Amino acid sequence: NAGVTQTPKFQVLKTGQSMTLQCAQDMNHEYMSWYRQDPGMGLRLIHYSVGAGITDQGEVPNGYNVSRSTTEDFPLRLLSAAPSQTSVYFCASRGTGQGGELFFGEGSRLTVL
Amino acid sequence: AQSVTQLDSQVPVFEEAPVELRCNYSSSVSVYLFWYVQYPNQGLQLLLKYLSGSTLVKGINGFEAEFNKSQTSFHLRKPSVHISDTAEYFCAVTINNAGNMLTFGGGTRLMVKP
Repeated sequence: NAGVTQTPKFQVLKTGQSMTLQCAQDMNHEYMSWYRQDPGMGLRLIHYSVGAGITDQGEVPNGYNVSRSTTEDFPLRLLSAAPSQTSVYFCASRGTGQGGELFFGEGSRLTVL
Repeated sequence: AQSVTQLDSQVPVFEEAPVELRCNYSSSVSVYLFWYVQYPNQGLQLLLKYLSGSTLVKGINGFEAEFNKSQTSFHLRKPSVHISDTAEYFCAVTINNAGNMLTFGGGTRLMVKP
């Protein structure tokens, strides 16, 4: 009963380094998304995907890339990390229909020095 | 574009007391509204949602919320809180039939004291 799985849970990077946050879901959901959570700002949408091969930008896409080659996986790439990207990142998925429940992973805490 | 304002960043309350967490949204078109809860070091879980129909929505753990279109509000209530309700609560809105952007408020930390 895995649901949405994110790895790694914690990561420390130096400015300029690159990394990929992994997200996988086993619920056959078409919709997947990445959010970042910062104190007092709630969750802000970075990128989302409505199916394999389809991605779109959210509210704060700069500095992040995504791809969706399979229904199950939706990795988030930081090409050149900056201290402003220090945050907690959440992957979420849902089935078809905007009124559906979002299922969240447990989060990935990223610190950029 | 839609937006969400949670008016209180923290709400301290004693156990067994009632609580209301306030949420106001801004949108010129019809919306879907949600409340999510986040326990420490976990992801978010859905508490309840309003899509259409009855304006009083009941969710899990004894929570309920009322959609008020004229006041553009969706306040969350519980008549008697428990220590285990201590968590952060997020209100969220999406414009129905217009895309996939779910916008969250800044969150309200509910602190239940014994």
